[in-house]
Amino acid sequence: DTAVSQTPKYLVTQMGNDKSIKCEQNLGHDTMYWYKQDSKKFLKIMFSYNNKELIINETVPNRFSPKSPDKAHLNLHINSLELGDSAVYFCASSPPGAGLYEQYFGPGTRLTVT
Amino acid sequence: ELKVEQNPLFLSMQEGKNYTIYCNYSTTSDRLYWYRQDPGKSLESLFVLLSNGAVKQEGRLMASLDTKARLSTLHITAAVHDLSATYFCAVGRTGNQFYFGTGTSLTVIP
Repeated sequence: DTAVSQTPKYLVTQMGNDKSIKCEQNLGHDTMYWYKQDSKKFLKIMFSYNNKELIINETVPNRFSPKSPDKAHLNLHINSLELGDSAVYFCASSPPGAGLYEQYFGPGTRLTVT
Repeated sequence: ELKVEQNPLFLSMQEGKNYTIYCNYSTTSDRLYWYRQDPGKSLESLFVLLSNGAVKQEGRLMASLDTKARLSTLHITAAVHDLSATYFCAVGRTGNQFYFGTGTSLTVIP
């Protein structure tokens, strides 16, 4: 019974293309996140949504746009892909409680831009 | 900007030995999390520490938090090969913000 799922698992595309990554959680959590993990395994938060509202937007290029149709879904759309966007993108969710609980991570989407 | 540093970045240890991973952070927080990541896999939660002096143990791993020193430790007792993974600490801030450390890649050698 998958808790946080992402599609696709792998994504290979060319520079300049537009792509989307989908995330769904069936845990009933209120907050969802997108993280980028680079080749050195460094994890950086990109976006955080609480009940469909953006609450964190770290300094990411505006080519990245999160969309949350409902609180169980948080999709990531990327325009005009660049080589530097190659990374593993993780979706995560957490229950309400202002950080009293850990985050639950999805399996990741490995994006390769050629 | 909040900085979270772990050391060591890489750790190679023999089975049966003990070792400690350190997580230092640059600003006030009383929420500290430890995660494990196996190669090519996602992150799995290990511990949630929510107050100064908090200590939690699970199997061969024990985590502690000293909020005054802005330091958390992850202690490994009698390491076994199955513990080989990358370990991340993360600091929580208001507004459900989480800042991850640099990660410690642990290899346990038979």
